[in-house]
Amino acid sequence: GENVEQHPSTLSVQEGDSAVIKCTYSDSASNYFPWYKQELGKRPQLIIDIRSNVGEKKDQRIAVTLNKTAKHFSLHITETQPEDSAVYFCAATSWGQNFVFGPGTRLSVLP
Amino acid sequence: GAVVSQHPSRVICKSGTSVKIECRSLDFQATTMFWYRQFPKQSLMLMATSNEGSKATYEQGVEKDKFLINHASLTLSTLTVTSAHPEDSSFYICSARLPAGTSGGSGDTQYFGPGTRLTVL
Repeated sequence: GENVEQHPSTLSVQEGDSAVIKCTYSDSASNYFPWYKQELGKRPQLIIDIRSNVGEKKDQRIAVTLNKTAKHFSLHITETQPEDSAVYFCAATSWGQNFVFGPGTRLSVLP
Repeated sequence: GAVVSQHPSRVICKSGTSVKIECRSLDFQATTMFWYRQFPKQSLMLMATSNEGSKATYEQGVEKDKFLINHASLTLSTLTVTSAHPEDSSFYICSARLPAGTSGGSGDTQYFGPGTRLTVL
Protein backbone atom coordinates (compact mmCIF):
# COMPACT_ATOMS: atom_id res chain seq x y z
CA GLY A 1 0.00 0.00 0.00
CA GLU A 2 0.85 3.66 -0.12
CA ASN A 3 3.22 5.14 2.44
CA VAL A 4 3.63 8.90 2.82
CA GLU A 5 6.50 10.49 4.71
CA GLN A 6 6.65 14.16 5.60
CA HIS A 7 9.49 16.41 6.76
CA PRO A 8 10.16 18.30 8.86
CA SER A 9 7.85 17.40 11.73
CA THR A 10 8.19 20.91 13.16
CA LEU A 11 9.23 24.12 11.47
CA SER A 12 9.71 27.60 12.88
CA VAL A 13 10.23 30.60 10.63
CA GLN A 14 10.31 34.34 11.10
CA GLU A 15 7.38 36.29 9.76
CA GLY A 16 8.02 37.20 6.15
CA ASP A 17 10.34 34.27 5.49
CA SER A 18 9.47 31.27 3.33
CA ALA A 19 8.54 27.80 4.56
CA VAL A 20 8.99 24.54 2.68
CA ILE A 21 7.50 21.19 3.63
CA LYS A 22 8.41 18.03 1.74
CA CYS A 23 6.57 14.75 1.30
CA THR A 24 7.52 11.51 -0.36
CA TYR A 25 5.20 8.74 -1.45
CA SER A 26 5.77 5.11 -2.38
CA ASP A 27 2.98 4.14 -4.79
CA SER A 28 3.71 5.19 -8.34
CA ALA A 29 -0.02 4.82 -9.12
CA SER A 30 -0.87 7.80 -6.88
CA ASN A 31 -2.07 10.66 -9.05
CA TYR A 32 -3.57 13.25 -6.71
CA PHE A 33 -1.72 15.09 -3.96
CA PRO A 34 -3.63 17.54 -1.73
CA TRP A 35 -2.33 19.66 1.11
CA TYR A 36 -4.44 20.39 4.16
CA LYS A 37 -4.03 22.98 6.92
CA GLN A 38 -5.39 22.14 10.35
CA GLU A 39 -5.62 24.63 13.17
CA LEU A 40 -5.90 23.36 16.73
CA GLY A 41 -9.24 21.64 17.35
CA LYS A 42 -10.53 22.39 13.87
CA ARG A 43 -11.11 20.53 10.66
CA PRO A 44 -8.42 20.05 8.01
CA GLN A 45 -8.88 22.63 5.28
CA LEU A 46 -7.78 21.98 1.71
CA ILE A 47 -5.32 24.71 0.75
CA ILE A 48 -3.90 23.48 -2.55
CA ASP A 49 -3.66 20.30 -4.56
CA ILE A 50 -1.82 18.98 -7.57
CA ARG A 51 -2.41 16.17 -10.00
CA SER A 52 0.21 13.95 -11.55
CA ASN A 53 -0.03 15.56 -14.97
CA VAL A 54 1.21 18.89 -13.59
CA GLY A 55 4.63 19.75 -12.19
CA GLU A 56 3.80 22.93 -10.33
CA LYS A 57 0.77 24.88 -9.15
CA LYS A 58 0.59 28.25 -7.46
CA ASP A 59 -2.12 30.11 -5.59
CA GLN A 60 -0.99 33.50 -4.27
CA ARG A 61 1.56 32.81 -1.52
CA ILE A 62 1.21 29.05 -1.72
CA ALA A 63 2.74 26.74 -4.30
CA VAL A 64 3.13 23.02 -4.68
CA THR A 65 5.70 21.20 -6.82
CA LEU A 66 5.63 17.57 -7.86
CA ASN A 67 8.47 15.32 -9.01
CA LYS A 68 6.87 12.10 -10.20
CA THR A 69 10.17 10.43 -11.00
CA ALA A 70 11.48 10.92 -7.50
CA LYS A 71 8.01 10.49 -5.97
CA HIS A 72 8.08 13.61 -3.91
CA PHE A 73 6.08 16.81 -3.69
CA SER A 74 6.58 19.97 -1.70
CA LEU A 75 4.55 22.82 -0.26
CA HIS A 76 6.04 26.29 -0.47
CA ILE A 77 4.66 29.22 1.53
CA THR A 78 6.17 32.62 0.84
CA GLU A 79 5.94 35.79 2.93
CA THR A 80 4.70 33.82 5.91
CA GLN A 81 2.30 35.44 8.35
CA PRO A 82 1.39 34.49 11.94
CA GLU A 83 -1.97 33.15 10.73
CA ASP A 84 -0.09 30.56 8.68
CA SER A 85 0.82 28.85 11.96
CA ALA A 86 -0.91 25.44 11.98
CA VAL A 87 -0.32 21.78 11.26
CA TYR A 88 0.02 20.94 7.58
CA PHE A 89 -0.72 17.50 6.18
CA CYS A 90 0.12 16.19 2.76
CA ALA A 91 -1.73 13.24 1.27
CA ALA A 92 -1.53 10.94 -1.70
CA THR A 93 -4.25 8.99 -3.43
CA SER A 94 -4.91 7.07 -6.58
CA TRP A 95 -8.15 8.23 -8.20
CA GLY A 96 -9.56 9.32 -4.85
CA GLN A 97 -9.19 5.89 -3.29
CA ASN A 98 -7.03 4.92 -0.35
CA PHE A 99 -6.18 8.39 0.85
CA VAL A 100 -2.99 8.26 2.89
CA PHE A 101 -1.92 11.24 4.95
CA GLY A 102 1.56 12.20 6.01
CA PRO A 103 2.30 12.55 9.74
CA GLY A 104 2.03 16.33 9.61
CA THR A 105 4.28 19.36 10.04
CA ARG A 106 3.72 21.86 12.82
CA LEU A 107 4.56 25.29 11.39
CA SER A 108 5.15 28.20 13.73
CA VAL A 109 5.53 31.68 12.27
CA LEU A 110 7.25 33.92 14.76
CA PRO A 111 6.36 37.63 14.76
CA GLY B 1 -19.87 24.98 -1.93
CA ALA B 2 -18.56 21.64 -0.59
CA VAL B 3 -19.67 22.08 3.01
CA VAL B 4 -19.65 19.12 5.37
CA SER B 5 -21.26 19.23 8.78
CA GLN B 6 -20.82 16.85 11.68
CA HIS B 7 -22.89 16.41 14.81
CA PRO B 8 -22.37 16.45 17.71
CA SER B 9 -19.19 18.47 18.02
CA ARG B 10 -18.49 17.13 21.46
CA VAL B 11 -19.87 14.21 23.47
CA ILE B 12 -19.12 12.78 26.86
CA CYS B 13 -20.53 9.39 27.73
CA LYS B 14 -20.19 6.62 30.25
CA SER B 15 -18.30 3.44 29.52
CA GLY B 16 -20.53 0.81 27.94
CA THR B 17 -22.90 3.19 26.19
CA SER B 18 -23.20 3.73 22.44
CA VAL B 19 -22.64 7.02 20.65
CA LYS B 20 -23.85 8.02 17.20
CA ILE B 21 -22.06 10.65 15.12
CA GLU B 22 -23.64 12.13 12.01
CA CYS B 23 -21.85 13.44 8.94
CA ARG B 24 -23.76 15.42 6.33
CA SER B 25 -22.82 16.91 3.01
CA LEU B 26 -24.86 20.11 2.94
CA ASP B 27 -24.64 21.33 -0.64
CA PHE B 28 -23.68 18.29 -2.65
CA GLN B 29 -24.42 14.60 -2.85
CA ALA B 30 -21.65 12.33 -1.69
CA THR B 31 -21.73 8.70 -2.69
CA THR B 32 -18.55 8.19 -0.71
CA MET B 33 -17.72 9.46 2.74
CA PHE B 34 -14.76 8.63 4.93
CA TRP B 35 -14.35 8.30 8.69
CA TYR B 36 -11.07 9.18 10.36
CA ARG B 37 -9.74 9.07 13.86
CA GLN B 38 -7.16 11.54 15.09
CA PHE B 39 -5.17 11.28 18.30
CA PRO B 40 -3.59 14.39 19.84
CA LYS B 41 -0.72 15.75 17.79
CA GLN B 42 -1.01 12.92 15.31
CA SER B 43 -2.13 12.48 11.75
CA LEU B 44 -5.50 11.37 10.43
CA MET B 45 -6.02 7.63 10.50
CA LEU B 46 -8.59 6.29 8.04
CA MET B 47 -11.04 3.98 9.78
CA ALA B 48 -13.45 3.16 7.01
CA THR B 49 -14.91 4.18 3.68
CA SER B 50 -18.66 4.63 3.67
CA ASN B 51 -20.48 3.95 0.42
CA GLU B 52 -24.08 4.96 -0.09
CA GLY B 53 -26.36 1.95 -0.35
CA SER B 54 -23.69 -0.64 0.40
CA LYS B 55 -21.55 -1.90 3.25
CA ALA B 56 -18.67 0.16 4.49
CA THR B 57 -15.11 -0.87 3.80
CA TYR B 58 -13.04 -1.02 6.98
CA GLU B 59 -9.32 -0.55 7.26
CA GLN B 60 -7.23 -3.30 8.74
CA GLY B 61 -7.43 -3.39 12.51
CA VAL B 62 -10.72 -1.49 12.77
CA GLU B 63 -13.50 -3.56 14.34
CA LYS B 64 -16.58 -3.29 12.16
CA ASP B 65 -18.85 -4.57 14.93
CA LYS B 66 -17.64 -1.82 17.24
CA PHE B 67 -17.68 1.04 14.76
CA LEU B 68 -20.95 0.69 12.87
CA ILE B 69 -21.26 2.77 9.74
CA ASN B 70 -24.47 3.48 7.87
CA HIS B 71 -24.66 5.53 4.69
CA ALA B 72 -28.41 5.52 4.08
CA SER B 73 -28.61 8.55 1.83
CA LEU B 74 -26.44 10.59 -0.52
CA THR B 75 -26.00 13.28 2.11
CA LEU B 76 -25.75 11.39 5.39
CA SER B 77 -23.38 8.87 6.90
CA THR B 78 -23.42 7.85 10.54
CA LEU B 79 -20.77 6.29 12.75
CA THR B 80 -21.93 4.51 15.89
CA VAL B 81 -19.35 3.65 18.50
CA THR B 82 -20.90 0.70 20.32
CA SER B 83 -20.14 -0.17 23.93
CA ALA B 84 -17.69 2.68 24.17
CA HIS B 85 -14.66 2.41 26.44
CA PRO B 86 -12.15 5.03 27.56
CA GLU B 87 -9.67 3.92 24.90
CA ASP B 88 -12.24 4.97 22.28
CA SER B 89 -11.87 8.57 23.40
CA SER B 90 -10.58 10.49 20.41
CA PHE B 91 -11.32 13.10 17.77
CA TYR B 92 -13.44 11.57 15.01
CA ILE B 93 -13.60 13.39 11.67
CA CYS B 94 -15.62 12.56 8.60
CA SER B 95 -15.03 13.71 5.07
CA ALA B 96 -17.02 13.60 1.88
CA ARG B 97 -15.69 13.25 -1.60
CA LEU B 98 -16.84 15.85 -4.07
CA PRO B 99 -18.16 14.00 -7.13
CA ALA B 100 -16.57 14.62 -10.49
CA GLY B 101 -18.18 17.56 -12.23
CA THR B 102 -19.58 19.11 -9.03
CA SER B 103 -18.30 22.65 -8.49
CA GLY B 104 -15.41 21.83 -10.77
CA GLY B 105 -14.46 18.75 -8.78
CA SER B 106 -12.66 15.88 -10.40
CA GLY B 107 -13.94 13.18 -8.07
CA ASP B 108 -10.95 12.88 -5.78
CA THR B 109 -11.09 15.92 -3.49
CA GLN B 110 -12.19 15.36 0.10
CA TYR B 111 -13.80 17.97 2.31
CA PHE B 112 -13.81 17.49 6.03
CA GLY B 113 -16.43 17.92 8.70
CA PRO B 114 -15.57 19.88 11.86
CA GLY B 115 -14.96 16.74 13.89
CA THR B 116 -16.46 15.21 17.03
CA ARG B 117 -14.51 14.98 20.24
CA LEU B 118 -15.59 11.85 22.09
CA THR B 119 -14.72 11.41 25.74
CA VAL B 120 -15.64 8.11 27.38
CA LEU B 121 -15.57 8.15 31.15
